Amino acid sequence: AQKITQTQPGMFVQEKEAVTLDCTYDTSDQSYGLFWYKQPSSGEMIFLIYQGSYDEQNATEGRYSLNFQKARKSANLVISASQLGDSAMYFCAMGGINDYKLSFGAGTTVTVRA
Amino acid sequence: NAGVMQNPRHLVRRRGQEARLRCSPMKGHSHVYWYRQLPEEGLKFMVYLQKENIIDESGMPKERFSAEFPKEGPSILRIQQVVRGDSAAYFCASSPPRSETQYFGPGTRLLVL
Repeated sequence: AQKITQTQPGMFVQEKEAVTLDCTYDTSDQSYGLFWYKQPSSGEMIFLIYQGSYDEQNATEGRYSLNFQKARKSANLVISASQLGDSAMYFCAMGGINDYKLSFGAGTTVTVRA
Repeated sequence: NAGVMQNPRHLVRRRGQEARLRCSPMKGHSHVYWYRQLPEEGLKFMVYLQKENIIDESGMPKERFSAEFPKEGPSILRIQQVVRGDSAAYFCASSPPRSETQYFGPGTRLLVL
């Protein structure tokens, strides 16, 4: 069974600053993928970034980067240069490489202040 | 390339009625997944389908819920005799073969009165 833990229910960040969202996971799978999704107030789920467990380099996508520490089973999302449009709920998720089901954390609400 | 389409975006039903939620995957995607999000919670997996096949429905409630993905047309999530506890956002996601990344639709918000 897979479990995702996001311990920060809500965070405030000043515009243009960086913010780190925590995510830890538990799995017995040897191969797995880690994902981050953004859910703005409009409700859609937007894919942000993906990290495979065997990827040696941390994933980056524009202002998003994933700080992957396999030994600690953590996959924190870093958003650099925060913008007002980054205000949203952020979900960490994981799936086994051969297991299509995604398991989601409870989410972290980010509010960006001007 | 259009994204994953879901309709309706909002659906109101009275207890005992049926709800039909539709999902058209992205072009080239043959795998469809349904998830449910209760208020203030993360998404929970319900069912995984490929064309004309249910691959895994381990997350589906045993009664009243069914899903299909016919050869032609959208995937349908059907909830019979809805109850208030069915009120939630239902998300559909799709992926191409041999890809881990799932792309989500905008969701259908179901409200049962």
